[in-house]
Amino acid sequence: DADVTQTPRNRITKTGKRIMLECSQTKGHDRMYWYRQDPGLGLQLIYYSFDVKDINKGEISDGYSVSRQAQAKFSLSLESAIPNQTALYFCATSDSGRAYNEQFFGPGTRLTVL
Amino acid sequence: GNSVTQMEGPVTLSEEAFLTINCTYTATGYPSLFWYVQYPGEGLQLLLKATKADDKGSNKGFEATYRKETTSFHLEKGSVQVSDSAVYFCALVTMNRDDKIIFGKGTRLHILP
Repeated sequence: DADVTQTPRNRITKTGKRIMLECSQTKGHDRMYWYRQDPGLGLQLIYYSFDVKDINKGEISDGYSVSRQAQAKFSLSLESAIPNQTALYFCATSDSGRAYNEQFFGPGTRLTVL
Repeated sequence: GNSVTQMEGPVTLSEEAFLTINCTYTATGYPSLFWYVQYPGEGLQLLLKATKADDKGSNKGFEATYRKETTSFHLEKGSVQVSDSAVYFCALVTMNRDDKIIFGKGTRLHILP
């Protein structure tokens, strides 16, 4: 089984709808991240969490919110989806005990907002 | 601030050709450097890393050497295969454990049979 899982893998929704993307990990890592990937723009950090009670905004947090329900779970919500949020979304984890911040990625969620 | 610049793609090569993807960085302190690879339909996975100057990271025939004097970490492979077709991301993180990883914009590689 994959160490970092994301659900759903694909989602099509309409403008104005609220949706939630979920991420779970079995790696025992304390840090979790949400990224957005657009063609030609690389990855942009949306939110990150260094532990359950430590949540921080990334580069592009407007229009998004997150919840760290447990060390293993980190969900991303779009309160009112808009078409320019159509993108590929990745969850990642890392271990603060490591000497360097290697991140482990989930398989991604492809979101389309019509 | 910290940043990573890598060559724009797409890069198209024939099988068995030599590959170089350039990456340069700007960072305060002494960063660790990474190359991640993203195969079609998948998330990113770590390809190789180097944590100090003059270190050489290597994996699956790919190599990159941490060059502090030129602030570079170029990815090379002597003979590419069709299965190497993917998007490659250069990245850095400083040794401050609260620092986030900074990614380049990615370089798409196409290998023709």
